[in-house]
Amino acid sequence: DADVTQTPRNRITKTGKRIMLECSQTKGHDRMYWYRQDPGLGLQLIYYSFDVKDINKGEISDGYSVSRQAQAKFSLSLESAIPNQTALYFCATRGSGNNEQFFGPGTRLTVL
Amino acid sequence: QQQVKQSPQSLIVQKGGISIINCAYENTAFDYFPWYQQFPGKGPALLIAIRPDVSEKKEGRFTISFNKSAKQFSLHIMDSQPGDSATYFCAASWTGGFKTIFGAGTRLFVKA
Repeated sequence: DADVTQTPRNRITKTGKRIMLECSQTKGHDRMYWYRQDPGLGLQLIYYSFDVKDINKGEISDGYSVSRQAQAKFSLSLESAIPNQTALYFCATRGSGNNEQFFGPGTRLTVL
Repeated sequence: QQQVKQSPQSLIVQKGGISIINCAYENTAFDYFPWYQQFPGKGPALLIAIRPDVSEKKEGRFTISFNKSAKQFSLHIMDSQPGDSATYFCAASWTGGFKTIFGAGTRLFVKA
């Protein structure tokens, strides 16, 4: 089984709809991240969390919110989706004392 | 400054050739420089990483060259193979920090 899972893998929605992307991990890592990937822009950090009680904004948090329901679960929400939020979204984890990040398989989101 | 600048944006190499991707950083506090490899439909995965106390690290056909004074590092793929065709991201982070800064990515295509 994959260590970092994301659901759904693909989603098509309409402008103005609320969308939630979910991430679960079995690695036991305390740090979790949400990134957005656009062609030519690399991986941009949306939000990150050190533990259940700690949530931090990344470089492009406007229009997004997150919830850390448990150490193993970190959800990303788009309250009112807009077309320029069409992108690949990745969840990642990182253990304390370790620099390596472990990525999920990604969610391809299309907002029409 | 926390940017990591990566070039080229795309690269086409003949099978058996050498692929070279370059990155530059500004923040001298960075002390961990990884390269991530991403295949279509997958999340990025750690390929190789280096710390600034060494100038080169080799793992199989993959080598990182690191120039601390120039604040540059590069990935060399020797004897490039079609299976190496992927997107490569350089990155930088620092011990005790919680974020990893990614370059914009390089799409490598190895022609058979």
